[in-house]
Amino acid sequence: LAKTTQPISMDSYEGQEVNITCSHNNIATNDYITWYQQFPSQGPRFIIQGYKTKVTNEVASLFIPADRKSSTLSLPRVSLSDTAVYYCLGIGGSQGNLIFGKGTKLSVKP
Amino acid sequence: DSGVTQTPKHLITATGQRVTLRCSPRSGDLSVYWYQQSLDQGLQFLIQYYNGEERAKGNILERFSAQQFPDLHSELNLSSLELGDSALYFCASSAGLAGGLRQSTDTQYFGPGTRLTVL
Repeated sequence: LAKTTQPISMDSYEGQEVNITCSHNNIATNDYITWYQQFPSQGPRFIIQGYKTKVTNEVASLFIPADRKSSTLSLPRVSLSDTAVYYCLGIGGSQGNLIFGKGTKLSVKP
Repeated sequence: DSGVTQTPKHLITATGQRVTLRCSPRSGDLSVYWYQQSLDQGLQFLIQYYNGEERAKGNILERFSAQQFPDLHSELNLSSLELGDSALYFCASSAGLAGGLRQSTDTQYFGPGTRLTVL
């Protein structure tokens, strides 16, 4: 699994777009970039996953450049309820377990 | 709601005791994973089962054991509990693949967790 690096924390205000960047310099060819969201005392929730270029779903967008050494999770028009910890993981191959780093603690203010 | 259920939600017990945590995976999922989350260690993978068989082991203590039953629900047994075992314990499930090898798109869905407090 790729080792990932993300900012420890970020602050934002309601209605803003938030971009969280994750570095994964040693990502393997078959690794997918996956983002999870976790609220306090709750289980991580799958947000989005991608391999290359751009992926969008009803919650977020994920941008992955051609070299795949980084990725950016984009949350459009955040609200207070988006305050959570966001984890970036590189997942692939036959290894089943997920290795979570410290994640990025996003605080959305009114 | 991820579709993964865990019971109990909270558990308070004393040092030296034994407890059992239960997990029911999403319908159709064959793989079950257990994770421990404490304040100082973050989310740590403990063990994975696939269709009743142990598939991968992480930082699981010898005092801990798990199993997956024919109906695919799983139990995590924690014995000789210590204060440091106090944590959130999460179960996750995924569809799994033939032979238990996971692919990158085999998304894991987490349950709500069991909060264990050892006094």
